[in-house]
Amino acid sequence: DAGVIQSPRHEVTEMGQEVTLRCKPISGHNSLFWYRQTMMRGLELLIYFNNNVPIDDSGMPEDRFSAKMPNASFSTLKIQPSEPRDSAVYFCASSLLAGYTQYFGPGTRLTVL
Amino acid sequence: DAKTTQPTSMDCAEGRAANLPCNHSTISGNEYVYWYRQIHSQGPQYIIHGLKNNETNEMASLIITEERKSSTLILPHATLRDTAVYYCIVSDGDSSYKLIFGSGTRLLVRP
Repeated sequence: DAGVIQSPRHEVTEMGQEVTLRCKPISGHNSLFWYRQTMMRGLELLIYFNNNVPIDDSGMPEDRFSAKMPNASFSTLKIQPSEPRDSAVYFCASSLLAGYTQYFGPGTRLTVL
Repeated sequence: DAKTTQPTSMDCAEGRAANLPCNHSTISGNEYVYWYRQIHSQGPQYIIHGLKNNETNEMASLIITEERKSSTLILPHATLRDTAVYYCIVSDGDSSYKLIFGSGTRLLVRP
């Protein structure tokens, strides 16, 4: 079975540009999570969706970040405009139900110059 | 949120058991203990979880003390591919979906 799929795997962009990260959760999973990992702050939860509805976005750093889940098989995390401090690895994870084991994708390494 | 404390780093010889400790003295009755690991440049990988009883799967064993204030992850026969950062996480009782990752234990398996 395919795991969580993320694209792109690497993204290099310039400050001020819009960045869109994509995630396809495991089929049948109804909970989806976006995390960010940096050396300074470790792995942090940004936002959690349940049945395509954002439930907890308290980890979203600021208005420049937005996330959507238009259907059960696709989610995006958008940063507009991007800044150098957004450089990090962004992970998407999914679980069958809320509170169940989370399975992580391979991540997107974002570099903002 | 319950917090966990893990050693910063450990090492073991290939083929030997790796025992990774975790303290979670403030854990609540309905909070699970999860273990994940992260191999360099990869996403975190689920290993095992438990509530009260000891658990075993194809990857590892989880030993939880009777008082639930600490636990130990056991990799019975460590291989070089087990070199990774291991995270002990206590799920948030009120927000069970929330996994709060600490700094973890960096395990080095020596040849």
